[in-house]
Amino acid sequence: SAVISQKPSRDICQRGTSLTIQCQVDSQVTMMFWYRQQPGQSLTLIATANQGSEATYESGFVIDKFPISRPNLTFSTLTVSNMSPEDSSIYLCSVDRGVGELFFGEGSRLTVL
Amino acid sequence: EDQVTQSPEALRLQEGESSSLNCSYTVSGLRGLFWYRQDPGKGPEFLFTLYSAGEEKEKERLKATLTKKESFLHITAPKPEDSATYLCAVQAGRGYNKLIFGAGTRLAVHP
Repeated sequence: SAVISQKPSRDICQRGTSLTIQCQVDSQVTMMFWYRQQPGQSLTLIATANQGSEATYESGFVIDKFPISRPNLTFSTLTVSNMSPEDSSIYLCSVDRGVGELFFGEGSRLTVL
Repeated sequence: EDQVTQSPEALRLQEGESSSLNCSYTVSGLRGLFWYRQDPGKGPEFLFTLYSAGEEKEKERLKATLTKKESFLHITAPKPEDSATYLCAVQAGRGYNKLIFGAGTRLAVHP
């Protein structure tokens, strides 16, 4: 299994501001994934982040709203920009260790007022 | 469109009362079906991967099975510590490791 650390674990933010979530993995991985889990709902993939290339965004998610960085094989950030209350969610970082099984971080619980 | 539906949404069991959770799916080119457990305030924890119809996997009180249209997670003689949300996800033939998740089943096991 992989050890995945996310920061912050939770935050309360004001409307219109931006928040950057960090994800650190204990070993090098090719692909990192960012998911969103809205209250009472399941997980939705936001984007896939590969080191050295632009992130690939899923339908309904755009780079201007959710810019992602992937500077090396163990780290990624997701920024939630110009936040509104609808962005209140748990944001989860995950990695695939090469056998098709995803491992998840603890998540970052974001509340936008 | 690829879709995953889990039922029931919520399940309450007495300790020792065995039951099954259902995950039905509609995907083009199933590459794998995954079961995860999620505790409140935590990220999902991987349980099983199933790749082909007829496959079964077991772990302690849990047993996962797969047919061409659905998967079942059987829980035998559950204990209160089995209380969690159980998520099913499928990986379809799109060339990379995107998982499509169901909404989950919230399981509560009471002593």
